[in-house]
Amino acid sequence: AQTVTQSQPEMSVQEAETVTLSCTYDTSENNYYLFWYKQPPSRQMILVIRQEAYKQQNATENRFSVNFQKAAKSFSLKISDSQLGDTAMYFCAFIGSGSARQLTFGSGTQLTVLP
Amino acid sequence: GAGVSQSPSNKVTEKGKDVELRCDPISGHTALYWYRQSLGQGLEFLIYFQGNSAPDKSGLPSDRFSAERTGGSVSTLTIQRTQQEDSAVYLCASSGGQQSYEQYFGPGTRLTVT
Repeated sequence: AQTVTQSQPEMSVQEAETVTLSCTYDTSENNYYLFWYKQPPSRQMILVIRQEAYKQQNATENRFSVNFQKAAKSFSLKISDSQLGDTAMYFCAFIGSGSARQLTFGSGTQLTVLP
Repeated sequence: GAGVSQSPSNKVTEKGKDVELRCDPISGHTALYWYRQSLGQGLEFLIYFQGNSAPDKSGLPSDRFSAERTGGSVSTLTIQRTQQEDSAVYLCASSGGQQSYEQYFGPGTRLTVT
């Protein structure tokens, strides 16, 4: 079974600064996908970024980028130029490429961007 | 619509009553998922539908929970004889097309059992 661990329940960052959220996972699969989802107070889960395990290049989406270390089973999210609208709960999630297609989520990190 | 929709947005029910939660996935998406988000348990998988295949019910917490998907589109999650521990946000997601590993979520239904 896969597990996803987010060890930072809460974090804060000043507006315009950079912040990194940590995530580690455990799996015996060789091919899988990793995601970061954002959940603002509106409750809507929004996909922020995805990473395929077979790709060595780290994914980037505008101000969001990941540091994917496959051997260490680490998948951190970096948010650059933080904005007030980035305030949300962030979830790291894993999905294997096998028949079990459900997401396994970490416990989440509450990020607050301070003005 | 363009995204996943869920109804109702909020539901308050008395202990022991049955409830039905509805999910309308993104048009053309073949896979549909139900998850539960509660304070004590985080985000938990409940059930997964893929096309016409038998659903993966491995996450359903008890036989009071059931779900169906009619015509490969709309899904209904039914909770019978609700208990206070069923209080949670129920999230629906769908995926499909070329990027089939990406799941897109609806806004959820907040269920409160009194």
